[in-house]
This record gives sequence, structure tokens and C-alpha cells, in this order.
Amino acid sequence: DVKVTQSSRYLVKRTGEKVFLECVQDMDHENMFWYRQDPGLGLRLIYFSYDVKMKEKGDIPEGYSVSREKKERFSLILESASTNQTSMYLCASSPGTPNEQFFGPGTRLTVL
Amino acid sequence: GENVEQHPSTLSVQEGDSAVIKCTYSDSASNYFPWYKQELGKGPQLIIDIRSNVGEKKDQRIAVTLNKTAKHFSLHITETQPEDSAVYFCAALLSGSARQLTFGSGTQLTVLP
Repeated sequence: DVKVTQSSRYLVKRTGEKVFLECVQDMDHENMFWYRQDPGLGLRLIYFSYDVKMKEKGDIPEGYSVSREKKERFSLILESASTNQTSMYLCASSPGTPNEQFFGPGTRLTVL
Repeated sequence: GENVEQHPSTLSVQEGDSAVIKCTYSDSASNYFPWYKQELGKGPQLIIDIRSNVGEKKDQRIAVTLNKTAKHFSLHITETQPEDSAVYFCAALLSGSARQLTFGSGTQLTVLP
């Protein structure tokens, strides 16, 4: 079974802190994605990566950056966390496109 | 870019009844339409998908229909069971980007015993 793991299920940070969210997939997938999920807004794409060191902006990249140094790992970075970044963050991977995206369990981030 | 609208936002049905969730999309060049189910505390999981060269697809109790002319697609669940209770998301593949899905806002389905 494809497995996508995220480093934390719950995270509480202070305004202005630098936050790292880590995602690892074990199926050698090319593509990896970071979404945020908010009630009534569905899943919104923050960034995605189709290869090591490659990244593309999604619909809401402001305030975020990403890093993909190894194929299996995709990190989301909040350079200076703000309260409006309190949300559920979901990581996903896929073997190509158009193909099924496999999601991790999510990280619920609270910024105080 | 692509815009996907999903209705209803909440849906309650009696066990054994059918449930229908509808989505409309804006980009007529979109050609891939998956449906995801998200159970409490878990990430979304693909349950069925359809490509634009097909009008309908079935998998046991679930089916998806696609009307390209009207730019809408629907999820049909028959003989609903309590374990069908979850949040369902539709999505469309954005034309011009081979990887970027645009998701609907989600439907909370509750199957009442």
C-alpha cells in the first residue's frame, strides 16, 4: 500500500515562528503536493513539485515556501507564521498525471 | 483558472436511500474528474474517477456521470450505509497544467440509521 506520512498530527506555534511541515512518501512518486483545508473552502493547492528541486506555485502560495531535496520528501515552510495560517495541511503524492493522488492524514496547525 | 462548485454542502439520507452530489466546472478543456471521500481524522481517498471521453462509470454502489456540454458531473451512491458517512470532494484537472487538481468545497454526507 502507498503510504504518505506527515511529521505531526497536531502542531501549535506562535505568531512569527518559522514552521516546518514534513511529508514523506514511500512509493517513488514523481509528484507531491501541499494543500490546506478550511471549512467551506475545500482543498486549496499551495505548492506542488514534479521532480526533485522542482516546484510550482498553486493557488495560494503567499506566505509559504517548499523544499524537495529528495524524491520521497516534500517540506512546507511557513517563514513567519501568522494566525490566518491556522488550518489543516494535507500532503499528497501521485505517480504521474492524471492519476490518483494519495493523501497523508493531515497536520492540524494552530498559530497563536 | 478552473473553478469547481459543489452542491449541496450537507446531505442527510436514510440508510438504504440514494445520495447524489453535483459539481459544475468552468474550464471546458478539463478532462479528468475524480471524487474523493474523507473520513473523520483521515486524508481524502479516491473512490471513483471519470475521464472526458466517458459519460458514466460505475463501481458497485457508486457511479459518476459526466455531462460535458453542461459542464457538470455527479456522484451517485445507492443503497447507502452508515459507513458512507463522510465528506466527499469532487475535483477537475486544470487545463494547461497536467498536475493541478481544482477541488470543490465538499459535501458532508450523513447516513441516518
